[in-house]
Amino acid sequence: DSGVTQTPKHLITATGQRVTLRCSPRSGDLSVYWYQQSLDQGLQFLIQYYNGEERAKGNILERFSAQQFPDLHSELNLSSLELGDSALYFCASSVGSGRETQYFGPGTRLLVL
Amino acid sequence: GNSVTQMEGPVTLSEEAFLTINCTYTATGYPSLFWYVQYPGEGLQLLLKATKADDKGSNKGFEATYRKETTSFHLEKGSVQVSDSAVYFCALSDWEYGNKLVFGAGTILRVKS
Repeated sequence: DSGVTQTPKHLITATGQRVTLRCSPRSGDLSVYWYQQSLDQGLQFLIQYYNGEERAKGNILERFSAQQFPDLHSELNLSSLELGDSALYFCASSVGSGRETQYFGPGTRLLVL
Repeated sequence: GNSVTQMEGPVTLSEEAFLTINCTYTATGYPSLFWYVQYPGEGLQLLLKATKADDKGSNKGFEATYRKETTSFHLEKGSVQVSDSAVYFCALSDWEYGNKLVFGAGTILRVKS
């Protein structure tokens, strides 16, 4: 158990809908990262937050957004969902924003029908 | 940009066989290097890491040495077990851009008894 929690574990929804994925980092960690794992793209970095501020952005679609709250939990919002958004979404956390090791949560599996 | 290349799988071995999974990287600067493992139906777990050239990471019988001259970080284990069956991901930290991880495509390992 890494100490990073993600909810829900599974999510099934329809095209055009909006969903919110939630992540709680390990106690004491200030950085949260979101990654997408799909069969065709592999593991891709989406976005990083550090202590409430966006720190780095990767291949995140405009339909996707994220935020980190004062209690350091983070939410990833996915809207106007398409079939191709079906994937496993991981959250990771680290102590700071530098070279620290990232610890991953169990992931949320999203299926868009 | 930074990238990681792993040997394609699946790799199928008999129990107690020697394992090597090749990983090479392209990076500017001096990234940290990681091996993560994903067991069936689970999230990513950190297996081992190395933060500078010639460092050797080790854990649970697995080892990898950070070779700057060959830009490699090959994973080895002297005697695999059925319980080692999983997907193994090599990754580097792109710390000049936040602290995002850049992953290889992953290598499926199957160990037969």
